[in-house]
Amino acid sequence: AQSVTQLGSHVSVSEGALVLLRCNYSSSVPPYLFWYVQYPNQGLQLLLKYTTGATLVKGINGFEAEFKKSETSFHLTKPSAHMSDAAEYFCAGRGSNTGKLIFGQGTTLQVKP
Amino acid sequence: NAGVTQTPKFQVLKTGQSMTLQCAQDMNHNSMYWYRQDPGMGLRLIYYSASEGTTDKGEVPNGYNVSRLNKREFSLRLESAAPSQTSVYFCASTLDLAVGEQFFGPGTRLTVL
Repeated sequence: AQSVTQLGSHVSVSEGALVLLRCNYSSSVPPYLFWYVQYPNQGLQLLLKYTTGATLVKGINGFEAEFKKSETSFHLTKPSAHMSDAAEYFCAGRGSNTGKLIFGQGTTLQVKP
Repeated sequence: NAGVTQTPKFQVLKTGQSMTLQCAQDMNHNSMYWYRQDPGMGLRLIYYSASEGTTDKGEVPNGYNVSRLNKREFSLRLESAAPSQTSVYFCASTLDLAVGEQFFGPGTRLTVL
């Protein structure tokens, strides 16, 4: 079955620390992967996407993610957390030719001063 | 461009009442989607429309109906609302089914009493 799994529903980091949000996908998910961010009471905003080509993908707000086929992972990182990064983050993969997305359960990032 | 717009932003219904959630996009996208978001469950697909004139069930279609009114508009109807339909509803659209990158509206927060 196609699935996207985010490890850890809550992650807490100090301001300035490394952010690492983990995402694994099932091998049946085509290698089109996305990270979205959701700020409180807002819709989802695309952070970055992997389709083809370079496996290290850079997104907005200093985030990046690396596609690792051998590990079926697409972890999101940011070298230095900012207070404004506090939000919920969703990893998603394209599930079929209909463009349907399969979402992970989400990870809430808390940034402590 | 407004992107994806949704109305209303908030709604409170009584059990058994009906209502229609409206969604429109001005990006000339072919495909449109309705999701619901519940705590700890990520986003789940209710219905989608791969192209104008077509609609298909997603993961959780029971209790809902949809209409793809034209290329721009995709509405979601609750015929007889139930408390289990209390949720946040998001509409999304995509231009390229092959990639699946979706753009989301701001959401409708629905409470069914």
